[in-house]
Amino acid sequence: QVQLVESGGGVVQPGRSLRLSCAASGFIFSSYGMQWVRQAPGKGLEWVAAIWFDGTNPYYADSVRGRFTISRDNSKNTLYLQLNSLRGEDTAVYYCTRKTGSGSMAFDIWGQGTVVTVSS
Amino acid sequence: QSALTQPASVSGSPGQSITISCTGTSSDVGTYNLVSWYQQHPGKAPKLMIYEVSKRPSGVSNRFSASKSGNTASLTISGLQAEDEGDYYCCSYAVGSTWVFGGGTKLTVL
Repeated sequence: QVQLVESGGGVVQPGRSLRLSCAASGFIFSSYGMQWVRQAPGKGLEWVAAIWFDGTNPYYADSVRGRFTISRDNSKNTLYLQLNSLRGEDTAVYYCTRKTGSGSMAFDIWGQGTVVTVSS
Repeated sequence: QSALTQPASVSGSPGQSITISCTGTSSDVGTYNLVSWYQQHPGKAPKLMIYEVSKRPSGVSNRFSASKSGNTASLTISGLQAEDEGDYYCCSYAVGSTWVFGGGTKLTVL
């Protein structure tokens, strides 16, 4: 079945780095744009970053631009998010999502999320 | 990239209808017919309920409908059921190839 499985979350000190991974299965990964969306504890959803199907044209929210890097390896069906210079406000559940095809610009498949906690 | 504006909470009795509004700007909702809505139950990942303003993905009940006028989108749930209780988020594609979510609305079925 169509599935996204995130990994790589954990507890990290402010200023340190972390890399999240998202393994995709059940669909042609290289045909879809992918995104990361996060949710701070008790808060709403926040779009973080997007990348085109072919790994080009990354886009970022203002809150993470210059600190986070989205990338993908289509040969491994895997999406990544490199988190650098982490801050307390980056504490959240990070969801990997698939962008719908045909230009709908919606997120039709979500992973279960991986928790990132930034704390000293 | 300011969040879209949603009411913090709405409530309704079983069988009734409720509407959740989502107000953006000319940089997002007002320009693009690319508003989507998500349902989230506690501890679970969000689920796509509506895309392209008013289209339902396969498997989503036709009790869910949505529309847009100007800078405001709306989600209507008719025939409320207990299982509809949860948080609802709107989302819009926006200028600069970005996306913006609403702050979320907690739906309580009385």
